[in-house]
Amino acid sequence: SQTIHQWPATLVQPVGSPLSLECTVEGTSNPNLYWYRQAAGRGLQLLFYSVGIGQISSEVPQNLSASRPQDRQFILSSKKLLLSDSGFYLCAWNLQHNEKLFFGSGTQLSVL
Amino acid sequence: RKEVEQDPGPFNVPEGATVAFNCTYSNSASQSFFWYRQDCRKEPKLLMSVYSSGNEDGRFTAQLNRASQYISLLIRDSKLSDSATYLCVVNGDDKIIFGKGTRLHILP
Repeated sequence: SQTIHQWPATLVQPVGSPLSLECTVEGTSNPNLYWYRQAAGRGLQLLFYSVGIGQISSEVPQNLSASRPQDRQFILSSKKLLLSDSGFYLCAWNLQHNEKLFFGSGTQLSVL
Repeated sequence: RKEVEQDPGPFNVPEGATVAFNCTYSNSASQSFFWYRQDCRKEPKLLMSVYSSGNEDGRFTAQLNRASQYISLLIRDSKLSDSATYLCVVNGDDKIIFGKGTRLHILP
């Protein structure tokens, strides 16, 4: 069966520090991969999605970037965090773009 | 009109009661629809897909009304464990859109 792993679960970082969040999917090949952010009391905002290795689409201009170095690995990065980058970050996958999504357990990021 | 709109609630409902909430969507070309459940500080989890003919899974019933562009979720015999935020998800035109969710509190 397919599983998705996301880490770390919680992260506290100072403003201006770098960020790297990692997500891996097991038990499937060539998944679509997604990064979402959920700010406190707000809805899910799509940040990036990827349909294959090295293929990244960005939904909103921002301080973050994403990479997909391997088929089942998706990484969210920043060179310098801002206070506004705080939030709950979720990785997700599906096999077809209109199919239901399956989420990782999320990373609660606090930028201080 | 927002792409996907939900009443944020909260809905405070006594245990054992029936509760229903709707979600409206703006894109008439939307192709697939889902309800997710999200507990506080946890990831959203798929509750059920929504099919054109309506579908039921235990105490949960989902319905789609394409003419009026809304989907609904009905929970019968509500349990304390049903307390959560329920997210409506609409897929179409190469985009997956999440509603902001409806908060449900089941009261003992």
